[in-house]
Amino acid sequence: DGGITQSPKYLFRKEGQNVTLSCEQNLNHDAMYWYRQDPGQGLRLIYYSQIVNDFQKGDIAEGYSVSREKKESFPLTVTSAQKNPTAFYLCASSQDRGMVNTEAFFGQGTRLTVV
Amino acid sequence: AQKITQTQPGMFVQEKEAVTLDCTYDTSDQSYGLFWYKQPSSGEMIFLIYQGSYDEQNATEGRYSLNFQKARKSANLVISASQLGDSAMYFCAMREGPEVSGTYKYIFGTGTRLKVLA
Repeated sequence: DGGITQSPKYLFRKEGQNVTLSCEQNLNHDAMYWYRQDPGQGLRLIYYSQIVNDFQKGDIAEGYSVSREKKESFPLTVTSAQKNPTAFYLCASSQDRGMVNTEAFFGQGTRLTVV
Repeated sequence: AQKITQTQPGMFVQEKEAVTLDCTYDTSDQSYGLFWYKQPSSGEMIFLIYQGSYDEQNATEGRYSLNFQKARKSANLVISASQLGDSAMYFCAMREGPEVSGTYKYIFGTGTRLKVLA
């Protein structure tokens, strides 16, 4: 079955440590996105990528980094510079053909807790 | 300014009744798409319905319909015959073209938590 796989589902991190969240898709989608979700704040865009080896900052990129070495993969690293990393992280992908009418497909999310 | 505004943090509806979840948006683009997603307590985001800015008819998908009023910039989701399984968070989202956003990306509202009562 085609879809987006995020791992792990739950992640605990000590303060000062970097941690990488995995996102893999087999939908052959060009674009991939990372969102952060906090209670009462909806989804906020961290980074997005429309093509391999290219990505752009979203609204809240500080303290995060990404790579897009393969079309299928878009890992997110939460660095120690991120002041408040505890949140629910969602990865999404979409088929971008220069149109607005394509929906985003989401993974199951990773809940990150800093302890 | 908020691009997507959902003014109802929480809503209650009686089972089998209809409910409307509000969404207003702000864009200067002529071509844009509006989406509604459902997020159950498990956290996954489920796509429900889409409305294009040039679509003349309101979108419908089963029990879901979108009340699109372009001049008022509103795209309200209507759920008919509510079921207990409809209890979830609901997010409205917009996708603009690159003329405004610089690229194609999705902007989400803050969501509405719907609780269906038995």
